Amino acid sequence: DGGITQSPKYLFRKEGQNVTLSCEQNLNHDAMYWYRQDPGQGLRLIYYSQIVNDFQKGDIAEGYSVSREKKESFPLTVTSAQKNPTAFYLCASSIVQGWEQYFGPGTRLTVT
Amino acid sequence: AQTVTQSQPEMSVQEAETVTLSCTYDTSESNYYLFWYKQPPSRQMILVIRQEAYKQQNATENRFSVNFQKAAKSFSLKISDSQLGDTAMYFCAFMDSNYQLIWGAGTKLIIKP
Repeated sequence: DGGITQSPKYLFRKEGQNVTLSCEQNLNHDAMYWYRQDPGQGLRLIYYSQIVNDFQKGDIAEGYSVSREKKESFPLTVTSAQKNPTAFYLCASSIVQGWEQYFGPGTRLTVT
Repeated sequence: AQTVTQSQPEMSVQEAETVTLSCTYDTSESNYYLFWYKQPPSRQMILVIRQEAYKQQNATENRFSVNFQKAAKSFSLKISDSQLGDTAMYFCAFMDSNYQLIWGAGTKLIIKP
């Protein structure tokens, strides 16, 4: 089955630690995205990538980093510089930028 | 700045009833796309319907249809014959000329048996 996988579903970290969230897709999509979702708010874009080895900052990139070494993979690192990292993180992909986006199941990150 | 507003934080209807979720947006662009996404309790975000601004005809997907009023910048979602499985958060989203999605805060829809 084609789709987007995110792992793990729940992630717990201590404050001050970096943590990497996984996102893999087998849809052969060129574009991939990372969003953050907080209660009572719409999704906010962290980073996006249109092609391999290229990515751009979204609206709330501070404290996050990404890489796009393979078409299928777009991992997100939440660094210790992110002031309020506890949130639900969603990864998405689209055929190319501008087409409808399809989402993974999300990762709930809790930092204490 | 472009914004998307969903004025109904929560709605509830009886099963089999019809419900309409409202969405308004603010933009100076003339060509854009609008989307409705559904997020059930599993939190998986699912595309419900898409509308191109240049199309006058309202998009329809089975029980889901939209009322797109471009001049009024309104994009409401109508769910007919609502089912228990329609219980979810519904998000309206606008895609700007930079292909970025701008999201509303969502409407929580509860379908009662």
